[in-house]
Amino acid sequence: GAVVSQHPSWVICKSGTSVKIECRSLDFQATTMFWYRQFPKQSLMLMATSNEGSKATYEQGVEKDKFLINHASLTLSTLTVTSAHPEDSSFYICSAARGEGYGYTFGSGTRLTVV
Amino acid sequence: DAKTTQPNSMESNEEEPVHLPCNHSTISGTDYIHWYRQLPSQGPEYVIHGLTSNVNNRMASLAIAEDRKSSTLILHRATLRDAAVYYCILSLGRDDKIIFGKGTRLHILP
Repeated sequence: GAVVSQHPSWVICKSGTSVKIECRSLDFQATTMFWYRQFPKQSLMLMATSNEGSKATYEQGVEKDKFLINHASLTLSTLTVTSAHPEDSSFYICSAARGEGYGYTFGSGTRLTVV
Repeated sequence: DAKTTQPNSMESNEEEPVHLPCNHSTISGTDYIHWYRQLPSQGPEYVIHGLTSNVNNRMASLAIAEDRKSSTLILHRATLRDAAVYYCILSLGRDDKIIFGKGTRLHILP
């Protein structure tokens, strides 16, 4: 089945530093990937749509200069949280779809803690 | 906003069937109905999806109303490992973004 690998699974960083999260589709190509954020006891919130070879599309209220997304190949999208602050601490999840008519596959998530 | 409505929580006894309802009265003709579930501290897991006809797989069954304005996810024999938040989502598939609602938190009683 379709597999999406997300790395790292958890990271602790100091306030003001940047953190990069990788999302890879292991056995299929994904022209589009999605990035979500989830706070404790809440649902997933879509942050942006990552498009291979072009700029990401951000949801309203998401700062594109703070959450940098790069989709450099058909199997890799990265999310960089720049100048992280404690309020950026959250569970970040990526997903991709193999094709029309298929379901979406999600990464296992990255728990970011900013201290 | 999410285009589906689900009960906040449900309870079921272990080894009994579970029927999780979802209303999607504004569904369009090309929207697929997707179900995902999320265990604590994990990414969502695909359960099943369908367009018009009922669907079965090794995890569950999806019953879709004739007018497609509602659907029901059926777990035939619940186990403790099925305790999770279940999300019903509409999507065109592939490049179409999916918006999560609050889902249904399913509790399984031993």
